[in-house]
Amino acid sequence: EADIYQTPRYLVIGTGKKITLECSQTMGHDKMYWYQQDPGMELHLIHYSYGVNSTEKGDLSSESTVSRIRTEHFPLTLESARPSHTSQYLCASSAQTEIISGANVLTFGAGSRLTVL
Amino acid sequence: AQSVTQPDIHITVSEGASLELRCNYSYGATPYLFWYVQSPGQGLQLLLKYFSGDTLVQGIKGFEAEFKRSQSSFNLRKPSVHWSDAAEYFCAVGASHMRFGAGTRLTVKP
Repeated sequence: EADIYQTPRYLVIGTGKKITLECSQTMGHDKMYWYQQDPGMELHLIHYSYGVNSTEKGDLSSESTVSRIRTEHFPLTLESARPSHTSQYLCASSAQTEIISGANVLTFGAGSRLTVL
Repeated sequence: AQSVTQPDIHITVSEGASLELRCNYSYGATPYLFWYVQSPGQGLQLLLKYFSGDTLVQGIKGFEAEFKRSQSSFNLRKPSVHWSDAAEYFCAVGASHMRFGAGTRLTVKP
């Protein structure tokens, strides 16, 4: 049973449209992440949050934005989608491990596959 | 800077055969190492992790991995592959910021 939910699972839209990818988790995790996944490429971290009202950009530059108003919710928004944004977007969350400080075990959602025409 | 290399993009094995997926990492300190599996249309699921201690770690679904500091490797193994193991496998390293490899796609022949 999934504890982290992403919607929509699949989205096909035209260029210039605004889209929001939703991500919610029920585990009370304080840390949440967005990764971009393309075939044959490593997962790239595009955004992360360590808690409410905390958001940071990841390793890969992205035109998307995120917000963290509630612990369980971490939506990603593209104001004006372009074909270059076509990708799979994975949301993940984590909590500090009980034994080792700083090491995170990530729980992933099923992903949102975005196609921009 | 930390990095992960998975040298094999695609591996095909026969059902019942043994499996080894390679992972090499670059990390400045004692690494936290992970293997995740992704089935088609799904997110990533944790198979196993290494933080410290015994260098041979056991995971779910009969998988194990061995940490070799001298070789900067964390290879994943399974003695007998099942058809349901067909998936994409990702090695990852890191603590607060995880770095993933590009993945190895496993095909299982009947």
